[in-house]
Amino acid sequence: QKEVEQNSGPLSVPEGAIASLNCTYSDRGSQSFFWYRQYSGKSPELIMFIYSNGDKEDGRFTAQLNKASQYVSLLIRDSQPSDSATYLCAARGNAGNNRKLIWGLGTSLAVNP
Amino acid sequence: DGGITQSPKYLFRKEGQNVTLSCEQNLNHDAMYWYRQDPGQGLRLIYYSQIVNDFQKGDIAEGYSVSREKKESFPLTVTSAQKNPTAFYLCASSFRDRPNSNQPQHFGDGTRLSIL
Repeated sequence: QKEVEQNSGPLSVPEGAIASLNCTYSDRGSQSFFWYRQYSGKSPELIMFIYSNGDKEDGRFTAQLNKASQYVSLLIRDSQPSDSATYLCAARGNAGNNRKLIWGLGTSLAVNP
Repeated sequence: DGGITQSPKYLFRKEGQNVTLSCEQNLNHDAMYWYRQDPGQGLRLIYYSQIVNDFQKGDIAEGYSVSREKKESFPLTVTSAQKNPTAFYLCASSFRDRPNSNQPQHFGDGTRLSIL
C-alpha cells in the first residue's frame, strides 16, 4: 500500500517565524512531489512541486526533497496569518498506475499574530 | 480568465436519486480528474480521463459514473448505488500526464453534496 504521511498538527508558529512542514512517502518509485494549500471549506491550490533532490525556492516557500530518506518538506519563511491553512503533500510515481497522485492527509498550520 | 468551473456549489440528493456534478475547464488541459474529500480523510480518486472519449476508474469508482465527450467537460454522476454520497467533490485538470513530466493538477472550487 503506497502511502504519504504527514503530521496532522496543528503546527503553531508565531508571525514572522519559519514554518516547517514535513512529509514522508513509502514508494521508492515516487518521482515528483506536490505541495498544495487548502483553506477551510475551499479547494486545494498548488504551491509548488519538486522532482530533483535538493531545494527549490519560490518566494517565501522552499521545497526540499531527499529521495534517499523518502522525505519531502515545505518551509514557509516570514509566516503570515494568511498562511494559516492545511497543507497537503502528494507524491506521484513514474509508470502506469503509479502515475496517480497519492495524497497525505495534510498538516494544519496556525500562524499566530 | 482561464480556470475550472464546478457547479453547483451545493447540491442535495434525495433517496434513490441520481445527481450530476458539472466540471468545465478552459485551460486546454487534456486530463481531468474527480476526487472525493471527507473530513479526516485524504483526497480519494473517483475517476480520471487522459483524453476525450476515454476514462479510467480510480480507487472508489463504485456508485459513480462519468463521461468525457468534450475536452472541456467531465461531468460526474452520483448514482443511487452510492450509499454514502455526502462529501466535498473536487474536479481537477492538468496537461497530459507523461513519464518524466511533472504536470500539476489544478482544482475547481468544489461541490458539496448532501443527503436530504
